[in-house]
Amino acid sequence: DTGVSQDPRHKITKRGQNVTFRCDPISEHNRLYWYRQTLGQGPEFLTYFQNEAQLEKSRLLSDRFSAERPKGSFSTLEIQRTEQGDSAMYLCASSSQGIPSTDTQYFGPGTRLTVL
Amino acid sequence: GQSLEQPSEVTAVEGAIVQINCTYQTSGFYGLSWYQQHDGGAPTFLSYNALDGLEETGRFSSFLSRSDSYGYLLLQELQMKDSASYFCAVRAYSSASKIIFGSGTRLSIRP
Repeated sequence: DTGVSQDPRHKITKRGQNVTFRCDPISEHNRLYWYRQTLGQGPEFLTYFQNEAQLEKSRLLSDRFSAERPKGSFSTLEIQRTEQGDSAMYLCASSSQGIPSTDTQYFGPGTRLTVL
Repeated sequence: GQSLEQPSEVTAVEGAIVQINCTYQTSGFYGLSWYQQHDGGAPTFLSYNALDGLEETGRFSSFLSRSDSYGYLLLQELQMKDSASYFCAVRAYSSASKIIFGSGTRLSIRP
């Protein structure tokens, strides 16, 4: 078990550029989540996949954000036309089969995005 | 909607006991969880209370009282490595797939 991995760990970009982050969940986990965390705050839910299906999206996820999980394994989160307000830590988490209300989510180390 | 309130900072002495409180306003949720996050690290799951009462896991205990809309995390025999941020979190009935986190409590341990 190598845990949840995310790439890159850090990304610095200029306003207006597009960025893409990757998350590799724990291999046997079928559920994958994206969260955003700003300094001094708890993680905020962005979106949720079960296998390849995106089942829930937060209203925080504007049209500039899109997430995919094409084969039900790794996932990508793309932000188009980045804004300074997008600067945050983007966390990925995964969990396995079980009742969604009780399963334990395992978090990756996150991708820290800085938009200049 | 849901909101969870925690003290922003708590300081304690190594070897002592500390309690981190969480009060919440939510229309209904499955249970109260606690996560630990070290600076620059990922949140890691600590404990979960589905029912009212106390859950104990080693040096950590967590408590939930739904009637009081209140829970806490109790850390005993504090060690320097316990210095971290602690988040309470819930899964709402309206959306069990996502975790709603509080704003977190930064715990600092003094020698």
